[in-house]
Amino acid sequence: AQKVTQAQTEISVVEKEDVTLDCVYETRDTTYYLFWYKQPPSGELVFLIRRNSFDEQNEISGRYSWNFQKSTSSFNFTITASQVVDSAVYFCALRDAGGTSYGKLTFGQGTILTVHP
Amino acid sequence: NAGVTQTPKFQVLKTGQSMTLQCAQDMNHEYMSWYRQDPGMGLRLIHYSVGAGITDQGEVPNGYNVSRSTTEDFPLRLLSAAPSQTSVYFCASSYRRGREAFFGQGTRLTVV
Repeated sequence: AQKVTQAQTEISVVEKEDVTLDCVYETRDTTYYLFWYKQPPSGELVFLIRRNSFDEQNEISGRYSWNFQKSTSSFNFTITASQVVDSAVYFCALRDAGGTSYGKLTFGQGTILTVHP
Repeated sequence: NAGVTQTPKFQVLKTGQSMTLQCAQDMNHEYMSWYRQDPGMGLRLIHYSVGAGITDQGEVPNGYNVSRSTTEDFPLRLLSAAPSQTSVYFCASSYRRGREAFFGQGTRLTVV
C-alpha cells in the first residue's frame, strides 16, 4: 500500500530564513511518481514539481529546490530565503505507475508553513 | 481552456438530502478523481476513474457514488448526506498515470 508521511504539521519561520519540508513515502512499486503541491490561503491546489522514481537528480527552480533520495524514501522540499507569499499548506504526494493502484494519488497530511515578516 | 471546473463552490445540505457535485475538464484527460480535504488529514481519495466507463473506489468511498459516461465529466453523488461528509471536495484530472494532476477550485460542503 502507498503511504506518504509529512511529519512536520506546522513550521513557522521569519522572512529570509531557509526552510525544509520533509516528505517520506512508502510503496512496493519500483516505478512511481512524486509530487509537491502548494495550497495558499485562497484554497486552490497548485502543482510545484513532479519527479520519477528512476530520476534521482535534484532540482532547483529559483528559490525552490527538491532533494529526492530513494535510499531513504524521501523527497524533501527546501525554500531558500523564504517570503511571506510562501505561507501556505504544502502537500507531498505519490502515484504508483502500475498494479491495481494506478491512477491513485496518495497525499501526505500536509505541512502548514507560516512565514512572518 | 478552462481546466477543471467544479460546481458549486459552496453548498449547505440538510442531513439525509442528496446532491451531485459536478466536475468537468476540457483537457481530454484520461484520469479523473475526487478527493475530500479535512483538517489534519490531507486529501483522501474518494473515487477515481481511468477512462470513460471505468471507475473504482478510493480510500473513503462510503456514502458516495460516481459514474463516468464521458471523458469530460465525472460527477460525485452524495446519496444521503451526513454531518461527517462536511468537508472540502476537490476534483482532479491528469493526462496519464505519471503526470501531475490538475485540480478544480474545490467545493465547500456543510451538512447540518
